[in-house]
Amino acid sequence: DGGITQSPKYLFRKEGQNVTLSCEQNLNHDAMYWYRQDPGQGLRLIYYSQIVNDFQKGDIAEGYSVSREKKESFPLTVTSAQKNPTAFYLCASSSTGPGTQYFGPGTRLLVL
Amino acid sequence: SQELEQSPQSLIVQEGKNLTINCTSSKTLYGLYWYKQKYGEGLIFLMMLQKGGEEKSHEKITAKLDEKKQQSSLHITASQPSHAGIYLCGAAPTGGFKTIFGAGTRLFVKA
Repeated sequence: DGGITQSPKYLFRKEGQNVTLSCEQNLNHDAMYWYRQDPGQGLRLIYYSQIVNDFQKGDIAEGYSVSREKKESFPLTVTSAQKNPTAFYLCASSSTGPGTQYFGPGTRLLVL
Repeated sequence: SQELEQSPQSLIVQEGKNLTINCTSSKTLYGLYWYKQKYGEGLIFLMMLQKGGEEKSHEKITAKLDEKKQQSSLHITASQPSHAGIYLCGAAPTGGFKTIFGAGTRLFVKA
């Protein structure tokens, strides 16, 4: 079955620790995205990538980093510089343009 | 920058009743997307509207983009418990890659 997978479902971060969220897609999509969702708010774009080895900052990129070494994978690292990381993180992909985005099931990040 | 405002923020309806959710943009829309999210899960694509006056339906859900392309409405006919969730509208300002989303409308359906 084609789709997007995210892991882990829950992630706990200690003070000063970097953590990486995984996002994999087998839809052969060129574009991939990372969003953050806080309670009662819509999605905010963190980073997006239109093609392998290229990515752009979204509206709230500070404290986050990404890589796009393979078409299928777009991991997100939440660095210690992100002071308020507790949120629900969603990964998405699309074939061309922002178009119809397909979303993964999400990762909930909690701070210990 | 462009913003999307959704109304109402939340909605409780009796099963079988009709309801409407609105999404208003501060600027002209070049493509408007409707998604549904079950609590704690990812988003599921419902419909995309591009042309002013365009209307699309999927099962009991109908969405329309007004002629001036600054507002969209999503209408559910004869609501069911399976319709419960968060409905979000999204748009790509100037047709680029960066997508913005409304804050969502939380729908509760009472059996």
